[in-house]
Amino acid sequence: DTGVSQDPRHKITKRGQNVTFRCDPISEHNRLYWYRQTLGQGPEFLTYFQNEAQLEKSRLLSDRFSAERPKGSFSTLEIQRTEQGDSAMYLCASSPRTSGRALGANVLTFGAGSRLTVL
Amino acid sequence: AQSVTQLDSQVPVFEEAPVELRCNYSSSVSVYLFWYVQYPNQGLQLLLKYLSGSTLVKGINGFEAEFNKSQTSFHVRKPSVHISDTAEYFCAVTRTSGSRLTFGEGTQLTVNP
Repeated sequence: DTGVSQDPRHKITKRGQNVTFRCDPISEHNRLYWYRQTLGQGPEFLTYFQNEAQLEKSRLLSDRFSAERPKGSFSTLEIQRTEQGDSAMYLCASSPRTSGRALGANVLTFGAGSRLTVL
Repeated sequence: AQSVTQLDSQVPVFEEAPVELRCNYSSSVSVYLFWYVQYPNQGLQLLLKYLSGSTLVKGINGFEAEFNKSQTSFHVRKPSVHISDTAEYFCAVTRTSGSRLTFGEGTQLTVNP
C-alpha cells in the first residue's frame, strides 16, 4: 500500500484549456474526497464519493468541474475552460467506511496534491 | 454547519521553546476534531485526532492536544519544538454523523535557531 497517489503533481496550462487530475486512493478505502487549496488558505471541500456514488458536491464545484469514480477505485477531476482563478492545489483524500463511532471513522489520508497553474 | 477558527495565522518561536497553536470550533452537533500538518509542497499529514474517550490526545512528533467541550477549543501543544517542526498546521472538524472535513485557515509555525 503506497498511500494516496495523485497525478500529475504539477500542471501548467493556458486559460481556456481543459485539465484532468487523477487520484488513486488507498485500496481498501471506499470513500474518496477532493479538496482545493489556494495559497495561504485551508483546504476547501469540493466533493466526495462512496464507492462509485458521488454523495455530496460543494457549491464551489461549478459547472466547469466534473468528478467521476467509475468503478469505485480511482477518481478523476476535470476542469473545463480553465480560468486563472482555478490556479490552486487540488488535494485528494480517502478514508475507510466505518459504521457508528468506530475508531478510524472520518480519518482522511491525503495525497501529495496536484498543483494547477493557469496562465 | 461547522466552522473552525485558528486564532493565530503565524507563530514564530525559537528552537526548544514550548508552543501552543490555538483552535476554536463552532457546531450545534457532536464533532470529531483533527490537526493536520503540511510541509512545503506536500499534502496533509494527520498530526492527531479526537474521536472519543480521553480529552487529552497524543499525536506524532511529540504533539498533544486537549479537547475542551465547554470552551469549544482544541489547542495543540508541544513542550519543546525543533527546526523540523516548521510547517503549516491546520485544525479541522467534522460531524460525528458526517464525512466532510471543514478546515481552518492554518497556522504557520516557524521555528528559528
